[in-house]
Amino acid sequence: DAKTTQPNSMESNEEEPVHLPCNHSTISGTDYIHWYRQLPSQGPEYVIHGLTSNVNNRMASLAIAEDRKSSTLILHRATLRDAAVYYCILRDFANAGGTSYGKLTFGQGTILTVHP
Amino acid sequence: NAGVTQTPKFQVLKTGQSMTLQCAQDMNHEYMSWYRQDPGMGLRLIHYSVGAGITDQGEVPNGYNVSRSTTEDFPLRLLSAAPSQTSVYFCASSYRTGVGKLFFGSGTQLSVL
Repeated sequence: DAKTTQPNSMESNEEEPVHLPCNHSTISGTDYIHWYRQLPSQGPEYVIHGLTSNVNNRMASLAIAEDRKSSTLILHRATLRDAAVYYCILRDFANAGGTSYGKLTFGQGTILTVHP
Repeated sequence: NAGVTQTPKFQVLKTGQSMTLQCAQDMNHEYMSWYRQDPGMGLRLIHYSVGAGITDQGEVPNGYNVSRSTTEDFPLRLLSAAPSQTSVYFCASSYRTGVGKLFFGSGTQLSVL
């Protein structure tokens, strides 16, 4: 899987928007961009994914650069419950169904601190 | 649906003891995997399975065994526990195709003394 680069940590105030960046300059044309987050003392949970177009769901938005070499996870109004480690992961959908498809490579992620 | 269920939540072992971490999912997912997470680090893949009877090694397989006799269950065995295996263990499952969104269990915190 192609490598991603994220800042080690970011801080935000409650009810303000948060933009979490991810660089993936070696992304291939068949890589999905996935985001997971891990709340304290819990397993990771899926947040959002995208391929080329920006995506929105109830948890967040994903903005993907036109060249796909970077993306940004946007939390529109951070809450204290959003404090977590956020992981940006690339996943090659060309391998869907293959033995390696479920293997996610987790980096260090970004520790998001939300201040009241 | 219960999702992915891991037992036990906490376990303390002495060096050399063996034990099995249990993982079960009720979503009929073909793909199941085990990760370990050490303090301040991301998750590292131990073993994975793409279906009943099929398993393969991940990034850090040494000291661990797995088997997949049913779609629902994917136990992780520590044959002879070592202090280096002190970690939090997460089981995950997904469909084998499509987006392949992973669903994780709540983890097992293991201490080996």
